[in-house]
Amino acid sequence: QKEVEQNSGPLSVPEGAIASLNCTYSDRGSQSFFWYRQYSGKSPELIMFIYSNGDKEDGRFTAQLNKASQYVSLLIRDSQPSDSATYLCAVNNAGNMLTFGGGTRLMVKP
Amino acid sequence: DAGVIQSPRHEVTEMGQEVTLRCKPISGHDYLFWYRQTMMRGLELLIYFNNNVPIDDSGMPEDRFSAKMPNASFSTLKIQPSEPRDSAVYFCASNTLARLYNEQFFGPGTRLTVL
Repeated sequence: QKEVEQNSGPLSVPEGAIASLNCTYSDRGSQSFFWYRQYSGKSPELIMFIYSNGDKEDGRFTAQLNKASQYVSLLIRDSQPSDSATYLCAVNNAGNMLTFGGGTRLMVKP
Repeated sequence: DAGVIQSPRHEVTEMGQEVTLRCKPISGHDYLFWYRQTMMRGLELLIYFNNNVPIDDSGMPEDRFSAKMPNASFSTLKIQPSEPRDSAVYFCASNTLARLYNEQFFGPGTRLTVL
């Protein structure tokens, strides 16, 4: 069973702080990693993807990948109340399929 | 450019009835995915198609569920007979490997309630 694990939260951070979301995966053969954001009642939308070890930055978002530790994270700098959502980690480990984690609910308090 | 289109957006039915969910993928995408999302089980892949052919249906919960893709622009997910435990949000997603990365684009979902 290929698994993707996330802390369900809620993770509560004050506005302007850094939010750190974590994800671990079980399949060492996993090749690509995605972070989706899902607002309540809406569909998931992609915010970051990463293939290589290290950091990848896009605006206020930074994705970090450590394949040796089978660990991927998402940092959100200068968190805003509009960032409050559930963040889903997804892993591509076979063909074109994605395995999703259970999601971490983030709450950013004004 | 239109995204993934799903219909209906909401469906309320009674146990034992047949339910048909519909999806139109993004034009040019050759992969189509059906997911189910519940609080308990999260987002689960049910089945996916490549060039209209089912590739992996190992996530389909049981014989009551069936999916078809008669052409590149249309797919259906059918539940017959429906049961209360089928209540969930069903998402359709599509992508193509012709892009640099295999991001999946999700439709708005169908919220199914089986009474």
